[in-house]
Amino acid sequence: DGGITQSPKYLFRKEGQNVTLSCEQNLNHDAMYWYRQDPGQGLRLIYYSQIVNDFQKGDIAEGYSVSREKKESFPLTVTSAQKNPTAFYLCASNLGFTDTQYFGPGTRLTVL
Amino acid sequence: AQTVTQSQPEMSVQEAETVTLSCTYDTSENNYYLFWYKQPPSRQMILVIRQEAYKQQNATENRFSVNFQKAAKSFSLKISDSQLGDTAMYFCAFMMNSGGYQKVTFGIGTKLQVIP
Repeated sequence: DGGITQSPKYLFRKEGQNVTLSCEQNLNHDAMYWYRQDPGQGLRLIYYSQIVNDFQKGDIAEGYSVSREKKESFPLTVTSAQKNPTAFYLCASNLGFTDTQYFGPGTRLTVL
Repeated sequence: AQTVTQSQPEMSVQEAETVTLSCTYDTSENNYYLFWYKQPPSRQMILVIRQEAYKQQNATENRFSVNFQKAAKSFSLKISDSQLGDTAMYFCAFMMNSGGYQKVTFGIGTKLQVIP
C-alpha cells in the first residue's frame, strides 16, 4: 500500500536532548513538508523540500533541522535550541506545485 | 500574507442532519486552491474536498460539498446526512505557489460533534 509513515507515534524527550522524527513515503512524491500543530492553532510549516539534497526553512524553523538524502525520506531533528518543542508533528508530501498535500499519521512529542 | 479564518470554534449536529462549516480567506492572488481537511481523534489529517479557484463549479464528494464564493472570499463546507464518523476537527486551507514553492495556510479549525 502506498502512503506516508511517521515514527514513532509517541516520543518523550528530556530537556537538552536532540530527537529525530522519521517520515517516509512510497508515493514517489517529489516534495515533502514538516508541520507543527499546537492546540487552538492551525498547522505551521517548519521545513519543506522539493527535491533530494535541497530544503528550505518554513515559518518556524528555529530550533529544528532536516535532511533529504533520499526521495523517500525527510527526517526532522528537534534540537535543544527549540524552547517549546512539546507539540504534534505532521509530515506531508505531494507531487508538485498544484498537487494536494497528503499527510502521515503524526508524532506526538513531549518534553519531560 | 494570506489568512484563513474559521469563526466557529465548535459545532454540533444531529445524526442524519445537515451542517455547514464556514471559512473565509484573504488574498490578493487570483490563482489558488482551497481545501477542507478532517482530523478525527486519531489525529490523521484526511483530505475531504478540494476546489480550484479558476473553477466556477462547486466541488462535491459524496455527502460533502462546498459553496465557493470567490468574490466574497468564502469557502464553506456542507456535510449532508451527518454520520457519527464525521465527528472531527475540520480545517480549511488555502494553497498558492509562492516564490517557487507551495505555500499552504491553515485555519485554526472547527470542532464538529455529531450527536446520535
